[in-house]
Amino acid sequence: AQTVTQSQPEMSVQEAETVTLSCTYDTSESDYYLFWYKQPPSRQMILVIRQEAYKQQNATENRFSVNFQKAAKSFSLKISDSQLGDAAMYFCAFHLGDTPLVFGKGTRLSVIA
Amino acid sequence: NAGVTQTPKFQVLKTGQSMTLQCAQDMNHEYMSWYRQDPGMGLRLIHYSVGAGITDQGEVPNGYNVSRSTTEDFPLRLLSAAPSQTSVYFCASKKGGNEQFFGPGTRLTVL
Repeated sequence: AQTVTQSQPEMSVQEAETVTLSCTYDTSESDYYLFWYKQPPSRQMILVIRQEAYKQQNATENRFSVNFQKAAKSFSLKISDSQLGDAAMYFCAFHLGDTPLVFGKGTRLSVIA
Repeated sequence: NAGVTQTPKFQVLKTGQSMTLQCAQDMNHEYMSWYRQDPGMGLRLIHYSVGAGITDQGEVPNGYNVSRSTTEDFPLRLLSAAPSQTSVYFCASKKGGNEQFFGPGTRLTVL
């Protein structure tokens, strides 16, 4: 079974600084999809970034980028120029395309003004 | 498109009562799932469906039933509510390897 591990229950960052959230996963498959979702206090799940395992290039979306290390089964999220609105729970997730999304337990990010 | 809709947003039940959480999507997604979210536990999969007429169990299926008679709808039934089912429930849908879309969630309290 596939598993996703987020080893940092809580993180904090100063406004305008950079923070990296860690995620590791376990699978024996070679083709899969990785995601980072943001959950603000409103509870809505918002997709931050998506990575396909067959793509070597790391995905980026504005201030958000990932460091995808396939051999190490690592998928960390870097948030640059952190803003107060970035404060939320962040979930790393994984699926094989035709399987359900499996989530890590989440990292709560606080942004300090 | 309305995306993924869930009703109700909030619900309070007494132990032993039954109820159905409704979920619908208008994106023609074949894949639909139900998750529960508890503090410190992330989102855990209850049941999922890969298409109309096909359902399967996830990580925490006990106490819940589902059916998928149409592509659009995927209701979750609690047959006899228990305090351990107090949680926030999310319905989601996706198509293949693409992004999974979530409903706004239902906060359920069982007394």
